[in-house]
Amino acid sequence: EAQVTQNPRYLITVTGKKLTVTCSQNMNHEYMSWYRQDPGLGLRQIYYSMNVEVTDKGDVPEGYKVSRKEKRNFPLILESPSPNQTSLYFCASSRSALSSPLHFGNGTRLTVT
Amino acid sequence: RKEVEQDPGPFNVPEGATVAFNCTYSNSASQSFFWYRQDCRKEPKLLMSVYSSGNEDGRFTAQLNRASQYISLLIRDSKLSDSATYLCVGLSGGSYIPTFGRGTSLIVHP
Repeated sequence: EAQVTQNPRYLITVTGKKLTVTCSQNMNHEYMSWYRQDPGLGLRQIYYSMNVEVTDKGDVPEGYKVSRKEKRNFPLILESPSPNQTSLYFCASSRSALSSPLHFGNGTRLTVT
Repeated sequence: RKEVEQDPGPFNVPEGATVAFNCTYSNSASQSFFWYRQDCRKEPKLLMSVYSSGNEDGRFTAQLNRASQYISLLIRDSKLSDSATYLCVGLSGGSYIPTFGRGTSLIVHP
């Protein structure tokens, strides 16, 4: 089954404790991206990747890092989480950044206390 | 900078009603558009792509008006299961960052 898999689904952590949210897709998509969704603000892109070893900032990259060492994986790293990073996070992939629809993972709900 | 605007609603309609949502965009370079459906606290799922000639999928019809820079979604014969938030998304040839509307909430009641 074609899918985007994120882990974990729920995560509660404390300020400053490094964490990684994993994302993997099995559709051989070149384009992958991370979003956060907050009430009243909609979906905002954090980072995206056009291909292996090619990443770039989205609209809200501060406080986040990503890597793309393999085509299928695109982890999101929070080196020092803060409470304002409490949010619902989605990973997504698509065949083409400019013309293909996005396939979303099922989300990670992060709470930073 | 918000390039895609949607009426947040909620649109509260009875079963069987026809309901239409519009989404306006400000970037004339936007090339591709999509409608997504999102249920509460779940991931957005592709509902349909939007083609310049308009397209229909069962009870759903999507249209693109480039001259007036808006896209629309029409839902006929609304079902209770259509209750969700509907997001419009634009892709621009000049950017690799999709632009999402904030979503329109639809509530279909018996």
